[in-house]
Amino acid sequence: LAKTTQPISMDSYEGQEVNITCSHNNIATNDYITWYQQFPSQGPRFIIQGYKTKVTNEVASLFIPADRKSSTLSLPRVSLSDTAVYYCLVGAVNTGGFKTIFGAGTRLFVKA
Amino acid sequence: NAGVTQTPKFRILKIGQSMTLQCTQDMNHNYMYWYRQDPGMGLKLIYYSVGAGITDKGEVPNGYNVSRSTTEDFPLRLELAAPSQTSVYFCASSYDRASQETQYFGPGTRLLVL
Repeated sequence: LAKTTQPISMDSYEGQEVNITCSHNNIATNDYITWYQQFPSQGPRFIIQGYKTKVTNEVASLFIPADRKSSTLSLPRVSLSDTAVYYCLVGAVNTGGFKTIFGAGTRLFVKA
Repeated sequence: NAGVTQTPKFRILKIGQSMTLQCTQDMNHNYMYWYRQDPGMGLKLIYYSVGAGITDKGEVPNGYNVSRSTTEDFPLRLELAAPSQTSVYFCASSYDRASQETQYFGPGTRLLVL
């Protein structure tokens, strides 16, 4: 199974750039890397997805090195409303089935 | 589109009771998933389905059952509720497998087993 490893928590201040790195050493060749954001009492929400190199959308950037064994979510100029848990997700194909593995996530706390 | 809807929002069960958590999506997605999330923890996959009539186990299937008779609905059944099943349950769907497509999550069902 592809297992992901992320820092448990991070603190930041408003206006700073935040980078959260996820390790996924045995990612499957065909699998993408997806990041989700979760606020308390809500379901996770998609942020960004990529396969390799760099992906950017209106809320974040995702950097993936050539070996794809890690990825870094970059949140530019965070605000208080970015306080949430961030999960990286890598699919895994196992004999007899398919599983998605959510790690414990990174709790980001943005201070004023 | 309503997206993914779940009912009920909250439920208290006594040990040994049974219940069905409902999940419906209106996006014509092939894949549907059930996760549980214990306090302060990540999500664990219970069951998933790749289409109507096809279901398979995830990481933590014991104590649960599912069915997928239509593309839209994916109910989760607890037959004999136990305190260890106290959790928040999230249903999700995606057009293709979750490793290559965005999953859309419902608002969750909080279950308390006493």
